[in-house]
Amino acid sequence: SQQGEEDPQALSIQEGENATMNCSYKTSINNLQWYRQNSGRGLVHLILIRSNEREKHSGRLRVTLDTSKKSSSLLITASRAADTASYFCATALLIQGAQKLVFGQGTRLTINP
Amino acid sequence: DTGVSQDPRHKITKRGQNVTFRCDPISEHNRLYWYRQTLGQGPEFLTYFQNEAQLEKSRLLSDRFSAERPKGSFSTLEIQRTEQGDSAMYLCASSRPPSHEQFFGPGTRLTVL
Repeated sequence: SQQGEEDPQALSIQEGENATMNCSYKTSINNLQWYRQNSGRGLVHLILIRSNEREKHSGRLRVTLDTSKKSSSLLITASRAADTASYFCATALLIQGAQKLVFGQGTRLTINP
Repeated sequence: DTGVSQDPRHKITKRGQNVTFRCDPISEHNRLYWYRQTLGQGPEFLTYFQNEAQLEKSRLLSDRFSAERPKGSFSTLEIQRTEQGDSAMYLCASSRPPSHEQFFGPGTRLTVL
């Protein structure tokens, strides 16, 4: 079963606008990661935020984490048509020295030119 | 730098047939993961290898599924007596400590008729 839920399930905005996606999860985590998936393709790692971090930036991406509310958000600023994709949050649970990723259902983002 | 590769990219089979997928991780990545993704959902963890040892298996991995990584390099995932419910994208990922970032392959899309 999925660990968390993402909101919204689909988002359509104009190029240049900011896009915000939210993720909620259920259990304690080691870290939370965001991935992008273009249609029918593999996943690309975007950013990792540790459980003791509250905010992290990478280029046009900004991720926040609120462990008290068990939620995270991904902000993409100044969106581009190439940002059109599905975005997944994944919580990392420790297993045998590694980490098992538990994904949400994803947000399907469409950037209109 | 060669990424994670998977073969085949697409597989169409009839119900009851056996299928085998291959994953070649990034060289020097000793951790290898298999995930399954159905349409409109996020990936779900199936199993994890550290070198040649299979250390974690999901309850999703019924007795019809078997995964191997005999020499600690490439891995195979076999599904016996396929069912229509097995239709999904099968994703492979690899990682190397101390990083927890998982690099995903393009996936094998299985269609069971």
